[in-house]
Amino acid sequence: TQLLEQSPQFLSIQEGENLTVYCNSSSVFSSLQWYRQEPGEGPVLLVTVVTGGEVKKLKRLTFQFGDARKDSSLHITAAQPGDTGLYLCAGDAGNMLTFGGGTRLMVKP
Amino acid sequence: DTEVTQTPKHLVMGMTNKKSLKCEQHMGHRAMYWYKQKAKKPPELMFVYSYEKLSINESVPSRFSPECPNSSLLNLHLHALQPEDSALYLCASSQDWDGYKYEQYFGPGTRLTVT
Repeated sequence: TQLLEQSPQFLSIQEGENLTVYCNSSSVFSSLQWYRQEPGEGPVLLVTVVTGGEVKKLKRLTFQFGDARKDSSLHITAAQPGDTGLYLCAGDAGNMLTFGGGTRLMVKP
Repeated sequence: DTEVTQTPKHLVMGMTNKKSLKCEQHMGHRAMYWYKQKAKKPPELMFVYSYEKLSINESVPSRFSPECPNSSLLNLHLHALQPEDSALYLCASSQDWDGYKYEQYFGPGTRLTVT
């Protein structure tokens, strides 16, 4: 079973703070995707990381894929209320797509 | 255009009703998916269609019946559902399907309530 664990499950911070969300597994993934989902809406793809050690930046969001392709992190700099939502990582192990349990982020103004 | 559309946005149905959920994409994607998402949980895969043929059925009860009339459309026919089937039903598509190597784009979902 390819299990993806996300931490923390919940995070409530003030506007302007930095945060990091982690996505960990004992399995190797050929790629890993990060999504953000708002209540009542579908997940929106943020980024896909493919190469071990890869770092991708999307404005204030920085995504990193672990060297061994078993884990990933999402770092948000100077969080804004618009960043509020459910962040999901999803790993592709070739025969199935596994979603992490999600991190629910609330950024207070 | 990276849009996947789903109708209806909300649906309330009784346990004896028959209804259908619809999904459409015009990105030329050849793989389409149905997911079920319960509150505060990640999406769970139900079905995968590749080139209009059913490739994966994740042991979904027969009261859920998928249909892919053409490469742009995906339906989910519902019959004799149970209250525990209430959830957000998400459709997704990807360029192709070769073991999930391609990025998936999700629709906004249909919020289904079974009474």
